[in-house]
Amino acid sequence: QSAVAQPASVSGSPGQSIAISCAGTSSDVGGYNHVSWFQQHPGKAPKLIIYDVSNRPSGVSDRFSGSKSGNTASLTISGLQAEDEADYYCASCTSTNTLVFGGGTKLTVL
Amino acid sequence: QVQLVESGGGAVQPGTSLRLSCVASGFTLSSYGMHWFRQGPGKGLEWVADVWADGTHKYYGDSVKGRFTVSRDPSRNTLYLQMNSLRLDDTAVYFCARDDASYYFNYWGQGTLVTVSS
Repeated sequence: QSAVAQPASVSGSPGQSIAISCAGTSSDVGGYNHVSWFQQHPGKAPKLIIYDVSNRPSGVSDRFSGSKSGNTASLTISGLQAEDEADYYCASCTSTNTLVFGGGTKLTVL
Repeated sequence: QVQLVESGGGAVQPGTSLRLSCVASGFTLSSYGMHWFRQGPGKGLEWVADVWADGTHKYYGDSVKGRFTVSRDPSRNTLYLQMNSLRLDDTAVYFCARDDASYYFNYWGQGTLVTVSS
């Protein structure tokens, strides 16, 4: 499977907004609208926060939003809170009916 | 309520086999696509395999293709991952997850740890 690139780390202060990019190819991120984002706290299972590029599951804060342009998807977190500090992963379906993850981004709330 | 519980992990030697189980409760497992994921120590998430709801298709990640097999037992409402020819880099926590609708993974198990070591 192809590799999807995410920044290794991002940081922001409480109340600020941050964005995490997820750069793929036309065979994954750019070719399909099945791009998801997951939040993972240490020792916990991943939690779905965005699916199909920009949709939020029930119960997920509207401070989380997703978008896509070309081969790159983005997750934006507005009004940063301490509990947002976690690892974030994007994932996309691919042209070979598989799923590929980005390498993950560690968010630090300063 | 919906619950997924993995088991079967443990410490094994390279070249051996292990079968993981994912017991579903609160829903009928064979009505949904089901996926296996893994996460190596200090590493990111990796998709391992899936089985479609109708059971007609199974897909595998390149790193496990030919060695791992996903299956289901409707009578036990259980998903399995048969892992053969285990390698050191298969060491990871393995998670199962339900696919509610085209890669909508809202339910995950807590994971089971597989350690491959000589």
